[in-house]
Amino acid sequence: GESVGLHLPTLSVQEGDNSIINCAYSNSASDYFIWYKQESGKGPQFIIDIRSNMDKRQGQRVTVLLNKTVKHLSLQIAATQPGDSAVYFCADTVRSGGSYIPTFGRGTSLIVHP
Amino acid sequence: KAGVTQTPRYLIKTRGQQVTLSCSPISGHRSVSWYQQTPGQGLQFLFEYFSETQRNKGNFPGRFSGRQFSNSRSEMNVSTLELGDSALYLCASSGDPGTGGGGTFGSGTRLTVV
Repeated sequence: GESVGLHLPTLSVQEGDNSIINCAYSNSASDYFIWYKQESGKGPQFIIDIRSNMDKRQGQRVTVLLNKTVKHLSLQIAATQPGDSAVYFCADTVRSGGSYIPTFGRGTSLIVHP
Repeated sequence: KAGVTQTPRYLIKTRGQQVTLSCSPISGHRSVSWYQQTPGQGLQFLFEYFSETQRNKGNFPGRFSGRQFSNSRSEMNVSTLELGDSALYLCASSGDPGTGGGGTFGSGTRLTVV
């Protein structure tokens, strides 16, 4: 049968604007969270992570906020550039057997207009 | 240094056949995880191997299996292919998955089942 494509939430911004991408998770036991960027034809690329004992972490042009009370993550990208156009995924993870096992969000497509 | 290499990049198989996909991790990485990415279900964890042992397994039927060799290269096998197995299969390698970071992903193998 014909496959139905996933309709990803889309965020369209102008170059130079700040972008905020949101993600909800459901597992209260999750203790480590990761944001990934996936460009067309490539695998996900690590952007930034945060542990459950933190509520904010900053990287280069990116900030992740964690609100465990409402099980919500956000990724803020400052001064968004055309090269930031991609699909962004969050993952919440639980520790198992010495590793962190992820559950991924559905993704948000970020489109940056020059 | 070389990244994660997945072969082949594209594959077309017929329903009922079986398929083997290969993943060569970054040199020195002992953990390899496999993921399935589809438009309908998004990105889902399949299993993780560490030092030739399957350490974690996601919620997939037994038709999905894998193994890891002494050089850390990993293969995954899908038997009795179904149309719904059409997906991008990704692997990620990690030196020490216990420190987080999510691993480094390859570009994936695009499997189409007809």
